[in-house]
Amino acid sequence: GAGVSQSPSNKVTEKGKDVELRCDPISGHTALYWYRQSLGQGLEFLIYFQGNSAPDKSGLPSDRFSAERTGGSVSTLTIQRTQQEDSAVYLCASSPRVNYGYTFGSGTRLTVV
Amino acid sequence: AQSVAQPEDQVNVAEGNPLTVKCTYSVSGNPYLFWYVQYPNRGLQFLLKYITGDNLVKGSYGFEAEFNKSQTSFHLKKPSALVSDSALYFCAVRGGSQGNLIFGKGTKLSVKP
Repeated sequence: GAGVSQSPSNKVTEKGKDVELRCDPISGHTALYWYRQSLGQGLEFLIYFQGNSAPDKSGLPSDRFSAERTGGSVSTLTIQRTQQEDSAVYLCASSPRVNYGYTFGSGTRLTVV
Repeated sequence: AQSVAQPEDQVNVAEGNPLTVKCTYSVSGNPYLFWYVQYPNRGLQFLLKYITGDNLVKGSYGFEAEFNKSQTSFHLKKPSALVSDSALYFCAVRGGSQGNLIFGKGTKLSVKP
């Protein structure tokens, strides 16, 4: 597609439920990133995929968070047993190579009630 | 560890006046620096980057940024602000060896007519 697509755009879930957030990067972009944007907290790096290399998971806040990228394209971020502090906007970005600017998706606004 | 700081939470400017949004960085090695803008209810958009070369980098929408190695700064500038420039601006530095960006907390720019 023309841009990075994220779905759903909004998600309200009950505390304790699992959620899956999807990211469809720009075709041909080998790098894919997940960030979390909380009010007043800026952007927090979560995880990074580059080609067929092992992902950099150093930013995942707990073992309730996981992500995978299938076939070098679509990525899914999964949050298990959601907590209220997980409420945030989850942003996905892709880039064609290292040190190139990212293209961000519009994000998924997650609200845990 | 790599980091960036945006010392101002908010910058207020009158339309037509020059604007500066400040960013300082801390890196080991050569810095790779970026600016992004986030308009209300929109995703982040790439403005410009410094990898190497001229210290004055020109980007989108008439913005430019000046890399100053001695002051470890990368301030964003525009000669004449527009009301439509009102948005949230993020400075970023390349973090890990694989290229994930570390973002500052953001500066809200408000341009009044």
